[in-house]
Order: sequence, then structure tokens, then C-alpha cells
Amino acid sequence: DAGVTQSPTHLIKTRGQQVTLRCSPKSGHDTVSWYQQALGQGPQFIFQYYEEEERQRGNFPDRFSGHQFPNYSSELNVNALLLGDSALYLCASSLQGILGYTFGSGTRLTVV
Amino acid sequence: AQSVTQLDSQVPVFEEAPVELRCNYSSSVSVYLFWYVQYPNQGLQLLLKYLSGSTLVKGINGFEAEFNKSQTSFHLRKPSVHISDTAEYFCAVYNNNDMRFGAGTRLTVKP
Repeated sequence: DAGVTQSPTHLIKTRGQQVTLRCSPKSGHDTVSWYQQALGQGPQFIFQYYEEEERQRGNFPDRFSGHQFPNYSSELNVNALLLGDSALYLCASSLQGILGYTFGSGTRLTVV
Repeated sequence: AQSVTQLDSQVPVFEEAPVELRCNYSSSVSVYLFWYVQYPNQGLQLLLKYLSGSTLVKGINGFEAEFNKSQTSFHLRKPSVHISDTAEYFCAVYNNNDMRFGAGTRLTVKP
């Protein structure tokens, strides 16, 4: 049973560019949450998607947007990249959140 | 909104010694509590969770945690650590589709 799959694993972008990160949830899970983890810090909640709608959102600017597809997979888009957007981006899937989230290995984004 | 404070950013300990990683949470409503572990260049792996019932929760790799409602704490313990336990540990609080993490505690096990 495949867990959460994220792609790509590493990415280097230039300031001002746009990036799309992808996530396939664990089989049977219907909810996808995205987190940003800067070096040496805990994961910061970006947003959560359920039934193809953004259900919750953390304290991130509108440059961060997302999408969930009918097969529950999800994308995270970041526009007008800043150096400070360099981080590990984690995708987590769940069916019922109280049972815990299953995390992917993340996408390491470097903005230069 | 709920929040989590991990009281120690780094905990060095010798192999086979006991360890406690401290976590305090704040929330105005009932919450569910979790501990996750992160090895280098990997995602987070669930160690254990408290949903209800017994306040002592046992998880994987010999870890356990105790929920203390009066002190709003959920400390993680292991009676004897191994070199392979060296990793970053995160405490998390969940309520109403919202999972928030602490800043993490770096556990380093020395030979």
C-alpha cells in the first residue's frame, strides 16, 4: 500500500518564478494538508483540502494557492517566489484527522 | 486556536539512558495530541497519539507519553535510548481539522 507520494523531491527556482508541487495521498485518504518547514523549525500549516475545496488556511499570503482533484491528489502553487520561500514542503493525508496524518517525504524547494 | 510549546530545542543523552521530551499545549477546547519523529531528509512519522481514555499512551520504538490535562502537558518518554533514536521530535495538537506542530526537539544520542 503506497503511502503519500510527493513530486518532485528537489527543486531550484529563481526569485519571481512560479512553482507547482504535487501530492498523491495514501490510498483511502480523502483529505490533504500542506505544510512549510523551514530549516530547523517545525512544520507550519499552509492549508487543507477536502472534497476539492480549501477547508482551512494558515497564515500564508495569497501567493500560496492549491487545488485538489477528484482522485484526492493535490497541488500546491506558489507565485512570485521569494528567497524566504526556500523550505521543505510537506504534504500530509488523512481520512479522519484524529487518527493522525500520514506524511510524504517532502519537496525541498530552494529559491535563488 | 490551539498551540504547542516544546520546552527543549535540543536534548543530548547517552545511549541506554532514559529521556523525556517535554510538550505543553494551549487550547480552549478538548484536543487530540500526537508525537511525530523526523529523520534527516524525510517526512514525519507518527510515534503515538492520545485521543481519549488512559492517559498513558504507548507508541512505536518503545516510546510512551503521558497526557496531563491539569498541566496541559503531553511529555514523551523512553526508558532506554539507542543511537538510532537520534532525530527531530515534534509534538502536535489537533482540533477541528487543524493540526499544529511545535518547533521540535532535537534528540541526540551519544555512545
